[in-house]
Amino acid sequence: DADVTQTPRNRITKTGKRIMLECSQTKGHDRMYWYRQDPGLGLRLIYYSFDVKDINKGEISDGYSVSRQAQAKFSLSLESAIPNQTALYFCATSVSGYQPQHFGDGTRLSIL
Amino acid sequence: AQSVTQLGSHVSVSEGALVLLRCNYSSSVPPYLFWYVQYPNQGLQLLLKYTTGATLVKGINGFEAEFKKSETSFHLTKPSAHMSDAAEYFCAVTESGGSYIPTFGRGTSLIVHP
Repeated sequence: DADVTQTPRNRITKTGKRIMLECSQTKGHDRMYWYRQDPGLGLRLIYYSFDVKDINKGEISDGYSVSRQAQAKFSLSLESAIPNQTALYFCATSVSGYQPQHFGDGTRLSIL
Repeated sequence: AQSVTQLGSHVSVSEGALVLLRCNYSSSVPPYLFWYVQYPNQGLQLLLKYTTGATLVKGINGFEAEFKKSETSFHLTKPSAHMSDAAEYFCAVTESGGSYIPTFGRGTSLIVHP
């Protein structure tokens, strides 16, 4: 089983819908992150969490919200999806800031 | 503030040729540096990392990178490309101190021709 699991892997939805992307991990890491990947733009940080009670905005948090339900679970929500949120979304974990991140396989989200 | 520049959004090499992917960083304090690889329909996987110590770092699949402080560079190399090396490669930097949040480059797509 994967250490970092993202669900769903693919999602097509319509403008204005509420969407939740889920991430769970079995690595026991405190730090969790949500990124979006767009062609030519690399990975951009949406939100990050250092523990259940610590959640922080990244560089592109507008239009997104998160919930850290437990050490192992970190969900990303789009309250009212818009087409320019069409992207590949990744969840990642790390044991500390200077150790490498471990990524899920991503969720491909298309908003029509 | 930290930043990363990857020179060349696409690099094309022939199978068996040298692979050189360039990464320059900006950091006001000693950095931690990483290279990740992304294969189609997969997440990023760590290739190698530099934290402290030896400046020449060896990673998986025959890749290595050298930290050059004077040039603020961390270029990724492999002596002989394989078809299986075709993928997207990302350089990332984390500054020591502060919140230790990494910044990623925009990525370089490596194309390997037979």
